[in-house]
This record gives sequence, structure tokens and C-alpha cells, in this order.
Amino acid sequence: GENVEQHPSTLSVQEGDSAVIKCTYSDSASNYFPWYKQELGKRPQLIIDIRSNVGEKKDQRIAVTLNKTAKHFSLHITETQPEDSAVYFCAASRGQTGANNLFFGTGTRLTVIP
Amino acid sequence: EPEVTQTPSHQVTQMGQEVILRCVPISNHLYFYWYRQILGQKVEFLVSFYNNEISEKSEIFDDQFSVERPDGSNFTLKIRSTKLEDSAMYFCASSERTGSYEQYFGPGTRLTVT
Repeated sequence: GENVEQHPSTLSVQEGDSAVIKCTYSDSASNYFPWYKQELGKRPQLIIDIRSNVGEKKDQRIAVTLNKTAKHFSLHITETQPEDSAVYFCAASRGQTGANNLFFGTGTRLTVIP
Repeated sequence: EPEVTQTPSHQVTQMGQEVILRCVPISNHLYFYWYRQILGQKVEFLVSFYNNEISEKSEIFDDQFSVERPDGSNFTLKIRSTKLEDSAMYFCASSERTGSYEQYFGPGTRLTVT
């Protein structure tokens, strides 16, 4: 089955700096890669996703890049704010017709220091 | 904006007891999922459900687990005889239709087995 690795496990940045979280996956059939933000005690919230037919996607301060050849994808957050502090999970799925179970990474705890 | 809802928010049960966790997916969604997250660990896929049957299940989803959509709105996860290691946050998720990959998570039910 799919194995998703995520690094780093913790990340502290100064407010206004950028944060980068990296993930690798093992199943070459995976073609959908979402990122979820989870605040303490709350549900994972989808913040951005990318499909394998594109290499990069941006939404305001958040961007995701995908390298299918190397089987890795990254989340970039620019101009970080204290409210960005949370645990971020990457995930992968085959994105096929029908149900698509997500395989999650181990999470990155991001702390933005004011 | 429609959201996935789950009840109860917290369930405490004794080892060996049966529990039923309830979810109401977003109303026009067709694919339903259960995931679990043991404290401090990553989110793990349990089962997916479509058209009144299981689409896929993980190795965690053994004979002690079952799912059901008893009516047009609820989606339930039953654990027949709980074990201490079943203690976790259980998330329900739903997605809209074939080819729509985004999954939206409910707020979770924290299950504590004593």
C-alpha cells in the first residue's frame, strides 16, 4: 500500500518568515495530494490540494509543488502569521473513480512565533 | 456552508462494550469514510462506503468493526467489543461524487475505552 513520509515533525518560524513542509510517497499510482490543517482538538481542514497533471498550485500565501518523478510534494506558506500555527498533514490517494481513501503523513507541528 | 457532523463528541466506554459512532455527511455527498487518529499520531484510513456497501477497508477494520447507512442521512461506525487500543479520535468524512476528490471531515468523536 501507499506510504507517505513527512518532514519535519516540528517547525518553528518567526512571524513573517516562510515555512516549507515536505512529503514523499511510494505508490506511483497516487495522483491526488491534499494538505490538511488541524488545530488542537479540531477536525482536519482541507487547505489546498494538487493533482498530478500540474506541478504547482497557489492560493494566496499557500502553495504546493509536486514532483511526480521523484514522488515528492511540498507545502509552502509565505508571510506566516500566528494563526498559521497548527499541525499540517499531507496525504495521497489514487484519486480514481469512486471512493478514494487518503493515506496521511505523520504531521508537522508548525509554530509561528510572534 | 454545509459541514459533516458527528455525535457524540466524546464517548467513554468499558472494554468489551459495543459503541456506535454517528455521522451525518454533507447532504449531496455520495462517498463516506471513517478514519481514526490515535492521540499524537497520524490519521489512518478505516473504511470507505458507497452505494450502501463497503468500497474498501484497511487492515485495522477487522470483524469487530461494521458500518451502516441506516437511513438517508446517517452513517454509523459500530465497534462490537471495544479494546483499550480502540481509544482514539474517530473522524467521518464525505466527498461529493465520482471524480471529486475533496474529502470533508467531521469534528470527530473521541472514544475512550477504560
